Amino acid sequence: SQQGEEDPQALSIQEGENATMNCSYKTSINNLQWYRQNSGRGLVHLILIRSNEREKHSGRLRVTLDTSKKSSSLLITASRAADTASYFCASIYNQGGKLIFGQGTELSVKP
Amino acid sequence: GAGVSQSPSNKVTEKGKDVELRCDPISGHTALYWYRQSLGQGLEFLIYFQGNSAPDKSGLPSDRFSAERTGGSVSTLTIQRTQQEDSAVYLCASSLQGLAGYEQYFGPGTRLTVT
Repeated sequence: SQQGEEDPQALSIQEGENATMNCSYKTSINNLQWYRQNSGRGLVHLILIRSNEREKHSGRLRVTLDTSKKSSSLLITASRAADTASYFCASIYNQGGKLIFGQGTELSVKP
Repeated sequence: GAGVSQSPSNKVTEKGKDVELRCDPISGHTALYWYRQSLGQGLEFLIYFQGNSAPDKSGLPSDRFSAERTGGSVSTLTIQRTQQEDSAVYLCASSLQGLAGYEQYFGPGTRLTVT
């Protein structure tokens, strides 16, 4: 399979709580990206972390990368109902841009 | 400006028929990608075009699948003799450059149903 793994597969939290999603990948990467998908259509890029970076922030998003464990995590702080969506990690293994996606985490934020 | 557009948004076809899916990338983007998303296989890379270079076809699942990109812009993904397992959402993306550090912008997808 092309894909890495994500956990949990589904996550349900209350508004205001933090949500953490984890991703593992298979071989050495160039960078890792996180995408969001609403209603099964159209992916939106959230954040990119390079292989030589360990942590990156963007608004309420925090991404970490541990290349020794071949894993990444996405933390969404102070979640909102509008954050309800599926979240995918995607890794890039070489200079070419093709993305290898994880299986995704379905996040539900209850108001 | 306009984002990536795809047509049709939905396509229902009978098993054995050929289908063509179209992608209009963002103007000026040199790289174009096709992915598909299905319940059983998740999100899979299919094919990638970068400028005038030979496309990376390593993700195409069989020789029934082909794609072309005319004039470095519009791309068409063709599936011949469709099978039920081809049912999926086909997503197109483009990026400014086909290099690892560039964000990919996705279209809304074409939902293909093979009956």
